[in-house]
Amino acid sequence: RKEVEQDPGPFNVPEGATVAFNCTYSNSASQSFFWYRQDCRKEPKLLMSVYSSGNEDGRFTAQLNRASQYISLLIRDSKLSDSATYLCVFRGSTLGRLYFGRGTQLTVWP
Amino acid sequence: EPEVTQTPSHQVTQMGQEVILRCVPISNHLYFYWYRQILGQKVEFLVSFYNNEISEKSEIFDDQFSVERPDGSNFTLKIRSTKLEDSAMYFCASSDLVSGAGETQYFGPGTRLLVL
Repeated sequence: RKEVEQDPGPFNVPEGATVAFNCTYSNSASQSFFWYRQDCRKEPKLLMSVYSSGNEDGRFTAQLNRASQYISLLIRDSKLSDSATYLCVFRGSTLGRLYFGRGTQLTVWP
Repeated sequence: EPEVTQTPSHQVTQMGQEVILRCVPISNHLYFYWYRQILGQKVEFLVSFYNNEISEKSEIFDDQFSVERPDGSNFTLKIRSTKLEDSAMYFCASSDLVSGAGETQYFGPGTRLLVL
């Protein structure tokens, strides 16, 4: 049973494009949701938390649908620096373990 | 900006040898974690640690693994008798609920372990 499922990609988009990633999770008791990004051979870094009402941070918009158990990430006006692997992550309890998806690879080309 | 540090950045060892991976969590954080990532695979939780004891551990964290906070700054992961399948990137993370941004787990740069 996979706890977090993501489309592995790769997504290859030109600069300026809009790209969306989806992720489904199996544990309905999941409490907190995040998108992390991971550059090649580097540590995961928090991109943004995902709130029930949806939230936006600059060019990034995250949505949570608890009924359907999925979260999404929208990147507008893609930059070359957005090229990375985007990890869907959830946590079952405050300060509990994080569950990671395998990640979706994004390459933005000039 | 405070950050988690890890040493060494790379470690090569022979199968059956013991290794100790070291981490310095962010100062005043109280919750510590180890994760690992086998090449090409997802990040997997190993263990969490709070108040000088293990809070939670995964099925990966068997008797060959142990964690310790030997002093006020270091947090270590020991693998007693390494196996080939222990080859992975090991990430340390820390978090602090009190700080308000406490839900965030901050990751160190990792130690790449290669078991030959």
